[in-house]
Amino acid sequence: GENVEQHPSTLSVQEGDSAVIKCTYSDSASNYFPWYKQELGKGPQLIIDIRSNVGEKKDQRIAVTLNKTAKHFSLHITETQPEDSAVYFCAASLGNEKLTFGTGTRLTIIP
Amino acid sequence: KAGVTQTPRYLIKTRGQQVTLSCSPISGHRSVSWYQQTPGQGLQFLFEYFSETQRNKGNFPGRFSGRQFSNSRSEMNVSTLELGDSALYLCASSLEAQYNEQFFGPGTRLTVL
Repeated sequence: GENVEQHPSTLSVQEGDSAVIKCTYSDSASNYFPWYKQELGKGPQLIIDIRSNVGEKKDQRIAVTLNKTAKHFSLHITETQPEDSAVYFCAASLGNEKLTFGTGTRLTIIP
Repeated sequence: KAGVTQTPRYLIKTRGQQVTLSCSPISGHRSVSWYQQTPGQGLQFLFEYFSETQRNKGNFPGRFSGRQFSNSRSEMNVSTLELGDSALYLCASSLEAQYNEQFFGPGTRLTVL
């Protein structure tokens, strides 16, 4: 089955700097890659996703890049703000297969 | 549009008991998936229901079961609770495409004593 690895497990950045979280997946047939943000006491919230026919997608300060050849995808957050502090999860799936999640990255924004 | 709702939000049970958790998906969503979240194992897929049928199942013992009703609301049941079942149980709904664009509820925090 699919296996997703996520790095780093913790990340601290100064407010205003950029943060990058990376994930690799094992099944080259996977075609859907969402990113979720989970704040304390809440369920994961979908923040951005990308499909395998696209190499990059942006939404304001958030961007995701996908390298199908290397089987990795990354989340980029620019101009970080205190409200970006949370746990971020990547995931991968193939069509109608279940989502397989990474182990999460705890992002802390230092004021 | 209301989001995914889960009840109860918190639950305390003792070993050997059983528990039923409820999930109401976003209106119009027909797919409901359940996940177990623990600090050690992360987010683990339990099962997914679509139109009252279980379409996929994760690697959990038979003590974990679920069902979906005609209005797409779903319940999951855990029998003979063990200490290791303590976790946050999350429900997620999506429109038609099974695992695309899933929207999560706030979860039910289950503590087994």
